Parts: sequence; C-alpha cells; structure tokens
Amino acid sequence: EAQVTQNPRYLITVTGKKLTVTCSQNMNHEYMSWYRQDPGLGLRQIYYSMNVEVTDKGDVPEGYKVSRKEKRNFPLILESPSPNQTSLYFCASSRLPYTEAFFGQGTRLTVV
Amino acid sequence: AQKITQTQPGMFVQEKEAVTLDCTYDTSDPSYGLFWYKQPSSGEMIFLIYQGSYDQQNATEGRYSLNFQKARKSANLVISASQLGDSAMYFCAMREGWPSYDKVIFGPGTSLSVIP
Repeated sequence: EAQVTQNPRYLITVTGKKLTVTCSQNMNHEYMSWYRQDPGLGLRQIYYSMNVEVTDKGDVPEGYKVSRKEKRNFPLILESPSPNQTSLYFCASSRLPYTEAFFGQGTRLTVV
Repeated sequence: AQKITQTQPGMFVQEKEAVTLDCTYDTSDPSYGLFWYKQPSSGEMIFLIYQGSYDQQNATEGRYSLNFQKARKSANLVISASQLGDSAMYFCAMREGWPSYDKVIFGPGTSLSVIP
C-alpha cells in the first residue's frame, strides 16, 4: 500500500530535549516536505527536499533541521524544542512538485 | 500579505445540496498549481482536486469541481450533492516558484458542516 509513515503519532516532551520525528514513504517520490498546522493558520511549510541531499527552507524553518540521506526518509529534527513548537506536524511526499501530495498521519507534538 | 485567502471560516450546507468554498490567491508567477485538500476530524489530509494555471478546462473529480477564474485569481471548490461524510476542514493550497514549484502555501481553511 502506498503510504507516508510518520512516527511518533503523539509526543510530549520538555523544553530543550532534542527530538526527531521520522517520515518514510514507499512510493519512490523525489519531493518531500514538512508542515506544521496551527489553528487559524492552515499548514505552513517548514522544509522541503527535491531529492537526496537537496533540502531547502520553507516559510517557518527556525528551530528545525532536516536531512535527506535516502530517498524514502526525511526526518524532522528539533535540536532544542520550545513551547512555541507545540503543533501538529505533517510530512508529505509527491512524485513531482506539481502533483498531488500524499500526507502522513500527522504527529501531535506538545513541548512543556 | 496572505497569498491564499479563504474568507469563510465556517459553512453549513444541507445534505444533498451543492456548496461552494471560496479561495483566492496571489502570485506573480505565470505558472502555478492549485490544490484542494480535505481534513476530516480524524486528522488526515486527503487530496481532492488539482488545477494547473495553464489548464484550459476546469478540473473535475467525481462530486468535486474547481471553478477556476484566472483573471480574478480565484479557485473555488464546488461540492455537488453534499453528504454527511463531507463534513471536514477544507484547505486551498498553491504551488509556485518556477521552475521547481517547490513552494507550497496553504490557506487557513474552511470548516464545512453538512446538516442532515
């Protein structure tokens, strides 16, 4: 089954404790991206990647890092999480930039 | 300035009626793509429909159609024959940034409630 898998689905952590949210897709898509969703703001793009070892900043990259060492994986790293990073996070992939995106199930992160 | 505007935070529609969800966008790129996604209360994001800026015809996918008015920069979603399962948040999104189209902007969303 074609899918994008994010882990964990839910995470509560403390300020400053490094964490990684994993994202994996099995569709051989080149394009992957991370979003955060906050009430009233829709989804905002954090980082995206056009291919292996090619990443770039979206609209809200501060406080986040990504890596793309393999085509299928695109982890999101919060080196020192802060409460303003409490949000719902989505990973997405698409075959081409202008085709439909397939989204992961979402990761609800709470930073206390 | 907002690049994607969805002016209806919440809407109600009677079951089996048609409903239009508004979306206006702002871009200076000559080439771009417009998408609509549905987010039910369970949280997943579901692709509904896509319209390319150079597409001559309005996109349709089953009960979903996109009313694309390029000069007015609007891309409204029309859902025909609403069903209870259509109750969800609906997001309009745009991809721009020739030639890679890697920038993606979402609107704030419209919450649709279908009334039996």
